Amino acid sequence: EIVLTQSPGTLSLSPGERATLSCRPSESVNSGFLAWYQQKPGQAPSLLISAASIRATGVPDRFSGSGSGTDFTLTISRLEAEDVAVYYCQQYLTSPYTFGQGTKVEIK
Amino acid sequence: QVHLQESGPRQVKPSETLSLTCTVSGASVSSSYCYWTWVRQTPGKGLEWIGDIQHTRNADYSPSLKSRLTISLDAPKNEFSLNLNSVTAADSAVYYCTCSGNFWGQGVLVTVSS
Repeated sequence: EIVLTQSPGTLSLSPGERATLSCRPSESVNSGFLAWYQQKPGQAPSLLISAASIRATGVPDRFSGSGSGTDFTLTISRLEAEDVAVYYCQQYLTSPYTFGQGTKVEIK
Repeated sequence: QVHLQESGPRQVKPSETLSLTCTVSGASVSSSYCYWTWVRQTPGKGLEWIGDIQHTRNADYSPSLKSRLTISLDAPKNEFSLNLNSVTAADSAVYYCTCSGNFWGQGVLVTVSS
């Protein structure tokens, strides 16, 4: 199975700063098959980005996704307090459709 | 907007079968709109893809669970279900149903305990 490694484990930043989250698959993933999810405390995950770079409906444009192959990035351009969450990547190229272990984003 | 709601027993005894149902509104499980998917999350840990089923009733399972797992579709009730047999404490988790990751149920915590 494809293993997704996310880094860093935790990101602690001040409001307004830029957050850069990494997701590295163990095998090349066609960029059409990589998604990012946001999970706020006590809630179900929600889709942020699909196909590596396409924002889901209603997602603020401060969230952007990029990358291809074995190197993908989720960027939050200006961090807001409401962005405190755990962020997961998932590949849906090859079954089983594995998730990364998550990056926790905190506000300093 | 697709709405999903999980239901089923919150506690299951070891070696028994965990059964959950996901009731769907806003879309038909008989359409190709979604892969009807189950995901679980162990307390304090990450997400695990369990498996999915298409409107054709073709199901795909995680290899680690395949020998114990059945996912099925009930078109008249607009539901899909998960059955996981021979459960152990390691199967205690929050179980989510989702429409291809686009829409999610709120999740249900299932504890395996005698």
